[in-house]
Order: sequence, then C-alpha cells, then structure tokens
Amino acid sequence: AQSVSQHNHHVILSEAASLELGCNYSYGGTVNLFWYVQYPGQHLQLLLKYFSGDPLVKGIKGFEAEFIKSKFSFNLRKPSVQWSDTAEYFCAVIGSSNTGKLIFGQGTTLQVKP
Amino acid sequence: ETGVTQTPRHLVMGMTNKKSLKCEQHLGHNAMYWYKQSAKKPLELMFVYNFKEQTENNSVPSRFSPECPNSSHLFLHLHTLQPEDSALYLCASSQVPGYEQYFGPGTRLTVT
Repeated sequence: AQSVSQHNHHVILSEAASLELGCNYSYGGTVNLFWYVQYPGQHLQLLLKYFSGDPLVKGIKGFEAEFIKSKFSFNLRKPSVQWSDTAEYFCAVIGSSNTGKLIFGQGTTLQVKP
Repeated sequence: ETGVTQTPRHLVMGMTNKKSLKCEQHLGHNAMYWYKQSAKKPLELMFVYNFKEQTENNSVPSRFSPECPNSSHLFLHLHTLQPEDSALYLCASSQVPGYEQYFGPGTRLTVT
C-alpha cells in the first residue's frame, strides 16, 4: 500500500540550530514529492517540491530537501532555524501519472525556542 | 479574493441537519479536492475532481456528497453526519492532478 512515514512527531530546537526532518515513502512507481508547512492559525502552504532533475531542491525561507531514490526518502533540511519556523510540517507524495491522490505523512510539529 | 477560499470557516450542526461547505479557487486551476484533517491522523483525501468530473472517491460514506458545477467551485453536501465526522475539512486545487496543490483555510466542522 502507498504510504508516507515521517520519523519525528515532535521536534524542539533552539534558534540557530540545524534542522533535518525525515520522510520515507512507499510507492511503486515514479513520484512527485512535496513538503508543506502549516504555521499556527494559517492554512497549508507549499514549502518545496520535487518532480525530476536535480535531487536537491530549494524551497522558500531557506528550506531544502534531498530526494534519495534508493532510500525512498525526501528529507527536509534547514541550516539555521528561526523562531518563526515554529509550525507543523507535512511530507506528501503522489504518483507522477496519478489521478490526484496525494498521500500525506502524519506531520512533524517543530517548536523553535528563542 | 485570491487563492482558495472556503465558507463557512466554522460550522456546528446536529446529526439530523443538512448543510453544505463551499470552496472557490481563483487560480485558474482544473482540478479540485476535498480532504479531511482529524486530530492526530494524516490528511485524508476524500474526493478528486478534474475538469468537473469526479476521478477519485476514497471510500467516503454517502452522507458526504460532493458537487463540482465548474472548475472554480466545489461543494461538499453534508447530511445525517456522525460525531466522528467532526474535523477540519480542507479544499485544494491544482493545475492538473499530480501537480502541487494549493489549500484553502478549511472549515472546522463540529457534529453534535
């Protein structure tokens, strides 16, 4: 069955610390990959996406993610987090030729202490 | 209005009521989606529409009835819901299925 697994449910960091959130997926075929973010009181926003090409993709607000096909992973990174990065982060995957069935992970809550 | 809008933002309804959720996208997209977000569970896709045609029904109970009159509008008609249907219902749109989806703010539904 198709699934997305996010390893960390709740992460607490101090400002300026580095961040890496794990995401692994199970899908039998070519995929498009996404990270979404939901800031407190706001709606889901696209952080970055991978369709093809360079497996290291850069998104908004200094975030990046690396697609490692052999590991079925798409981990999110940021070298130095800020208090404003406090939010919930969702990894999602969809088959490239899919009818639109985007599958989400359960989310990781990031709390950044000032 | 820009992006994806949803009304109402909050809704409380009894188990015997009939209500509708509305979604409108101002992005010129062709695909629209309904999701359910419950506490401590991943977002669950409910329905997919592409060019007004339903292409995915993720085994959703018939007490949820979607309607897509055109590519910009999507409705979710609700009737005889159960308390466990209380959740945040999110609407999204994308250029075509498979591309990145843009989400609305959601409707917080409480079934009493």
